[in-house]
Amino acid sequence: DIVMTQSPLSLPVTPGEPASISCRSSRSLLHRNGNNYLDWYQQKPGQSPQLLIYLGSNRASGVPDRFSGSGSGTDFTLKINRVEAEDVGVYYCMQAIQTPRTFGQGTKVEMK
Amino acid sequence: EVQLVESGGGLVQPGGSLRLSCAASGFIVSTKYMSWVRQAPGKGLEWVSIIYRDGSTYYADSVKGRFTISRDNSKNILYLQMNSLRVEDTSVYYCARETDEVEGGYWGQGTLVTVSS
Repeated sequence: DIVMTQSPLSLPVTPGEPASISCRSSRSLLHRNGNNYLDWYQQKPGQSPQLLIYLGSNRASGVPDRFSGSGSGTDFTLKINRVEAEDVGVYYCMQAIQTPRTFGQGTKVEMK
Repeated sequence: EVQLVESGGGLVQPGGSLRLSCAASGFIVSTKYMSWVRQAPGKGLEWVSIIYRDGSTYYADSVKGRFTISRDNSKNILYLQMNSLRVEDTSVYYCARETDEVEGGYWGQGTLVTVSS
């Protein structure tokens, strides 16, 4: 199984400041079609996970442009350009190149 | 507009069965990879099962032999039949359309399954 490792697991942030989360996989997520099968999800308190970024760097519909995804192969990063209060929650990365699908442990983002 | 609406959750005794349903709209279930993912109270996300476009099915080791994923193409509904339920199966179960080369994934709101005596 592919192991997904996120860091940090807890991220205190200041409104207006940037923030970033790392996700590393134990095997490459780069498909022969050129896509990286790595998604980022945001789960706000009491809600279901919502897609932020798909295929490593594509912003999902309706997602603010302060969110961006980058990386390829085994190393990926989710960046929030300027954190807002509504961004608190838990962020997960997920690989979809191999079954079983696997998730990172989650990174809890909270305001300082 | 894409929608996934789960139903069928509830309270069941250990050893019992439940069937979860996921009604899809805005896309055709049989043209996508569809998964079930669960989240135990206060815990992270755990993948449960997937059905491919060609109908192939796969399961997490923790549910293999007890859970069955299926779909009804005429109704555009995804199912999860859960048998021999255990206390540790207690979770919110999410239905998910997977990301593919064309578009991003999408999750439903989830349905709570509680296994308790």
